[in-house]
Amino acid sequence: EAQVTQNPRYLITVTGKKLTVTCSQNMNHEYMSWYRQDPGLGLRQIYYSMNVEVTDKGDVPEGYKVSRKEKRNFPLILESPSPNQTSLYFCASRKHGGSGNTIYFGEGSWLTVV
Amino acid sequence: SQELEQSPQSLIVQEGKNLTINCTSSKTLYGLYWYKQKYGEGLIFLMMLQKGGEEKSHEKITAKLDEKKQQSSLHITASQPSHAGIYLCGALMPWVNNAGNMLTFGGGTRLMVKP
Repeated sequence: EAQVTQNPRYLITVTGKKLTVTCSQNMNHEYMSWYRQDPGLGLRQIYYSMNVEVTDKGDVPEGYKVSRKEKRNFPLILESPSPNQTSLYFCASRKHGGSGNTIYFGEGSWLTVV
Repeated sequence: SQELEQSPQSLIVQEGKNLTINCTSSKTLYGLYWYKQKYGEGLIFLMMLQKGGEEKSHEKITAKLDEKKQQSSLHITASQPSHAGIYLCGALMPWVNNAGNMLTFGGGTRLMVKP
């Protein structure tokens, strides 16, 4: 089954404690992306990757890092989380080429930073 | 940045009424996606439109992309409480440098349906 898997789904952490949210897709997709969703702001892109070792900043990259060492994985790293990073996070992937390709989303990761 | 504008931001309708949500861009859209979301849950793919003038329907939901491919509307006929949620439009915007061939989203429309 084609899917994007995020972990953890729910996390409460403290300010400054490094954490990683993993994202894995099983469709051999080139493009992957991270979004955060906040009330009234829709989904805003944090970082994206167009292939292995190719990553770039989205709209709201501050406070986040990513890596793309393997095609299937695109972890989101919060080196020193702060309360303003409390949000719902989504990972997404799609295949390269063509505007009609289906975009797959993970189920979301609720992160609370206290 | 809100390259896509959705309106209205929120909507309360009586069950059985029709409603329309709009998604507008200042430039040509390349692939317009509609998603529905229950608050705090994942995104449910509804429809994707590519061609100007295209219209697609699923059950009581119809989405259209205008001829100029700069605006899409989502229309719900005879709304039901199960239609309640957040509706999001997303588009591929190659002119946005930090989009990386992924979706840029509108701000969402929160729909409530009163029984």
